[in-house]
Amino acid sequence: DAMVIQNPRYQVTQFGKPVTLSCSQTLNHNVMYWYQQKSSQAPKLLFHYYDKDFNNEADTPDNFQSRRPNTSFCFLDIRSPGLGDAAMYLCATSRDQGPEQYFGPGTRLTVT
Amino acid sequence: RKEVEQDPGPFNVPEGATVAFNCTYSNSASQSFFWYRQDCRKEPKLLMSVYSSGNEDGRFTAQLNRASQYISLLIRDSKLSDSATYLCVVKGGGFKTIFGAGTRLFVKA
Repeated sequence: DAMVIQNPRYQVTQFGKPVTLSCSQTLNHNVMYWYQQKSSQAPKLLFHYYDKDFNNEADTPDNFQSRRPNTSFCFLDIRSPGLGDAAMYLCATSRDQGPEQYFGPGTRLTVT
Repeated sequence: RKEVEQDPGPFNVPEGATVAFNCTYSNSASQSFFWYRQDCRKEPKLLMSVYSSGNEDGRFTAQLNRASQYISLLIRDSKLSDSATYLCVVKGGGFKTIFGAGTRLFVKA
């Protein structure tokens, strides 16, 4: 059974049109992460939630926001997607600081 | 300079070969190290943690050299199913997690 679920798996949005990606987990992990991975590049951490505490990476653009309404769910909001935001977005979870992070299958975002 | 650097490859090896990947990291304060495997268009999955004393898991051996700030992964007796991208991962204190861009491996019959 899937432990970290991401919906949708593929998302197409228009330039400038807000989009929300969702992640849910059945592991009851207290930490949830959002990564951006572009083709042939490393996954890049955007932010993470430690319980309800939101932690933004210093170089994450303001265009990216996140919400975590409860332990199981976390959302990534892109307020005004640009062409450069086309990427795979990976959600991951861990219990406290790890060591292992469990990844969802990702949402591939296309911006037209 | 990237915080975590890997040779992107690809490494093309025949079945049964031994192959080694290296990864260097720039932050000497890094505390924990891992190798993840990522299949094409799939999510990363933990392959193994890397300990200072070195560690082995079946055909896979990981080594850490703190003085030179590199970690390595050795795969013995390569299988077709080992074909994937291998990501080097470095963590400092807290939750900061830095992934390398990965080394691609193709194992051919």
